[in-house]
Amino acid sequence: DTGVSQDPRHKITKRGQNVTFRCDPISEHNRLYWYRQTLGQGPEFLTYFQNEAQLEKSRLLSDRFSAERPKGSFSTLEIQRTEQGDSAMYLCASSSSSANYGYTFGSGTRLTVV
Amino acid sequence: EDQVTQSPEALRLQEGESSSLNCSYTVSGLRGLFWYRQDPGKGPEFLFTLYSAGEEKEKERLKATLTKKESFLHITAPKPEDSATYLCAVQGSGGSNYKLTFGKGTLLTVNP
Repeated sequence: DTGVSQDPRHKITKRGQNVTFRCDPISEHNRLYWYRQTLGQGPEFLTYFQNEAQLEKSRLLSDRFSAERPKGSFSTLEIQRTEQGDSAMYLCASSSSSANYGYTFGSGTRLTVV
Repeated sequence: EDQVTQSPEALRLQEGESSSLNCSYTVSGLRGLFWYRQDPGKGPEFLFTLYSAGEEKEKERLKATLTKKESFLHITAPKPEDSATYLCAVQGSGGSNYKLTFGKGTLLTVNP
């Protein structure tokens, strides 16, 4: 296992278009998180899955955002009708509920809305 | 609500010049305090977890310490390859006890 994988690494889209990002967590990790990071800021929590259940969504996540984790494996984050304010790095992380040693992050997807 | 404040925002050091980064936090019951390193355009890379006041952990030129209100990341004789943003995060024992709250980070630059 090579860690948390995110695809694509970079995405440029026009305002109003829909985009979807994918995250493949470490296989034995049952917890998966999405965070968003803008320039000069630390990562901000967006949403959390335990297995396939989405247990929390941040108020940062408007109705244009949706996340899924079918069968408790990979996860997707979709943004509909993108806005310039959505431009950010979208980070996925995973962890195990049996050990409290923090998350393992992926390399992120850099979204630019033009 | 959990809060994390990191200082300074940016730090420039000469190679070999030791220094410390600060992370002040407020949290409703600390489950863990985490230090990450982040290189430009990449995701955060895990460095340390500290669980209780008085705990210390070391890795190469880095040493993290924890009190009830703050954590320090001490960098001894830094090298240019230590240049990165260092992020501090806390995990509380409240309702969302799986969530990490991050500070804005300290951008460290080590000049040769």
